[in-house]
Amino acid sequence: DGGITQSPKYLFRKEGQNVTLSCEQNLNHDAMYWYRQDPGQGLRLIYYSQIVNDFQKGDIAEGYSVSREKKESFPLTVTSAQKNPTAFYLCASSISRGNRNQPQHFGDGTRLSIL
Amino acid sequence: QKEVEQNSGPLSVPEGAIASLNCTYSDRGSQSFFWYRQYSGKSPELIMFIYSNGDKEDGRFTAQLNKASQYVSLLIRDSQPSDSATYLCAVIRYGQGNLIFGKGTKLSVKP
Repeated sequence: DGGITQSPKYLFRKEGQNVTLSCEQNLNHDAMYWYRQDPGQGLRLIYYSQIVNDFQKGDIAEGYSVSREKKESFPLTVTSAQKNPTAFYLCASSISRGNRNQPQHFGDGTRLSIL
Repeated sequence: QKEVEQNSGPLSVPEGAIASLNCTYSDRGSQSFFWYRQYSGKSPELIMFIYSNGDKEDGRFTAQLNKASQYVSLLIRDSQPSDSATYLCAVIRYGQGNLIFGKGTKLSVKP
């Protein structure tokens, strides 16, 4: 089945530790995105990538890093510089087609908490 | 002014009624408009998208867009208890790829 797979579902981070969230898609989508959702809040964009080997900062990129070495994969690292990492992290992907923005589809998310 | 505004609710409607969810946006350059449904503890699921002024219908759902008033709405006909969720409005500005989300409206459909 085609889709977006995020792992793990739950993740705990110790003080001073970097952790990496995985996002893989087999939809052949060009664009991939990372969002963060805090309780009772909308989603906020962390990073996005329109093509392989290129990515752009979103609204809240500080304390996060990404890579896009393969079309299918867009891992997010939450670094120790991110002082409030507890949130629900959502990965999304979409087709890039001209200047008409295509809908984004989401993975099931990763819940990150501080130990 | 927030870029995308929604009434947080909760909006409570009886089963079988029409639920009307509203969203306003501040940037006139916004080009694409999306409605997502999010059940508690789950990820958002795409319900509808609309690009042009007017109405777009898909089953029990109708999206309405009025660019002059910078207003987009979602109507749910014959509401069911399974429609109880938070509905997120999202927009994309022309030339950009990332979604800008509202905080969502919580809908409760009472049997």
